[in-house]
Amino acid sequence: DSGVTQTPKHLITATGQRVTLRCSPRSGDLSVYWYQQSLDQGLQFLIQYYNGEERAKGNILERFSAQQFPDLHSELNLSSLELGDSALYFCASSVEATRLGGYTFGSGTRLTVV
Amino acid sequence: DAKTTQPPSMDCAEGRAANLPCNHSTISGNEYVYWYRQIHSQGPQYIIHGLKNNETNEMASLIITEDRKSSTLILPHATLRDTAVYYCIVRASSRNSGGSNYKLTFGKGTLLTVNP
Repeated sequence: DSGVTQTPKHLITATGQRVTLRCSPRSGDLSVYWYQQSLDQGLQFLIQYYNGEERAKGNILERFSAQQFPDLHSELNLSSLELGDSALYFCASSVEATRLGGYTFGSGTRLTVV
Repeated sequence: DAKTTQPPSMDCAEGRAANLPCNHSTISGNEYVYWYRQIHSQGPQYIIHGLKNNETNEMASLIITEDRKSSTLILPHATLRDTAVYYCIVRASSRNSGGSNYKLTFGKGTLLTVNP
């Protein structure tokens, strides 16, 4: 157990639907990162939040949005889903006070769009 | 962040040392070298990082050349459970007002296969 909790572990939904993926960071970590991993694209950075505020944006589609709540958990919302959105979605957290150490990743949510 | 180059795949015999190379010839002075690995479909796992000195922890050793243009991750006694994709990443923190940005950019990595 890495300390980063992602729910659900698996999600199957139809095209056009909307889903919400949840991430609870490791205790004490203020920063949350979302990554998408599909077979042909590898690990792609989507977005970062730090203490409730958006800090960096990567290749995140306009149909996707995220937020970080006061208790530091984060949600990634995916809407108007397409077949190509099928992927593993990882959340990671880190301590921002220092450059030392690395990210801690969760075990991911496997999204299948049918 | 600097780009890295890694071989797409490597093999290693169980019990032997696995030496995974990484080239980062455009690395700048404030960029760290990080290594992560990903065992099939699991979340990536942090291994080690360094700036310019060699580093060792319970998982691995990191050897960085004096000019910092390349590095080698060493798994001293590889086991079957070390079979994974290994990512070498270089990055610096860019400080935004009131916060910081530590995003990691993953490349394709090296698939290390440890054989019995």
